[in-house]
Amino acid sequence: QVQLVESGGGIVQPGRSLRLSCAASGFTFSSYGIHWVRQAPGKGLEWVAVISYDGGNKNYADSVKGRFTISRDNIKNTLYLQMNSLRAEDTAMYYCAKEVYSDSSAYLDFWGQGTLVTVSS
Amino acid sequence: DIQMTQSPSSLSASVGDTVTITCRASQGITNYLAWFQQRPGKAPKSLIYAASSLHSGVPSKFSGSGSGTDFTLTISRLQPEDVATYYCQQYQSYPFTFGPGSKVDIK
Repeated sequence: QVQLVESGGGIVQPGRSLRLSCAASGFTFSSYGIHWVRQAPGKGLEWVAVISYDGGNKNYADSVKGRFTISRDNIKNTLYLQMNSLRAEDTAMYYCAKEVYSDSSAYLDFWGQGTLVTVSS
Repeated sequence: DIQMTQSPSSLSASVGDTVTITCRASQGITNYLAWFQQRPGKAPKSLIYAASSLHSGVPSKFSGSGSGTDFTLTISRLQPEDVATYYCQQYQSYPFTFGPGSKVDIK
């Protein structure tokens, strides 16, 4: 069965860096684009970034562009999110989500359980 | 960016009722619209894609409709396990954007 397991969250000071991981299993990881979506405490869902199946295409939300980098290792079946220059407003649960490409676009079909990032001094 | 709105922001209904949530996009998105369920304290779960197609394993009590800018999610025969916040999301273009959510609970 499809599994996505996030890790790497924790408490970090403003301005510091953190790298999140998302370990995938149960499907052919190298065939699917993967997204990061976050949710601040008590708030709604915010899309963060996406990487294509081969890592050749990436897109970011304006709120993280230039500070966050999405990458993947198709040998290790793992997705990453390198987060630099962290701010208090980056405090959130971070989810990875697998996409399905269909009809010239891609929708999310399976989500991990999330990893919590807290940015605080 | 495409803005998504939802109404109502919250609703309370009785077991067995049918509830409807609406979602509106700030511009036409054809049918590139998804719905997600998030139970309290849990990760989101995908319910519907392409406005009206159910993901595998999603019960037929959930249904979606609409195209262009206006969409609806209908939950039939409301049960306690349906207590959740429901989000719509457009995937026509990046950045993907979500609606603010509609919280459903039981009277």
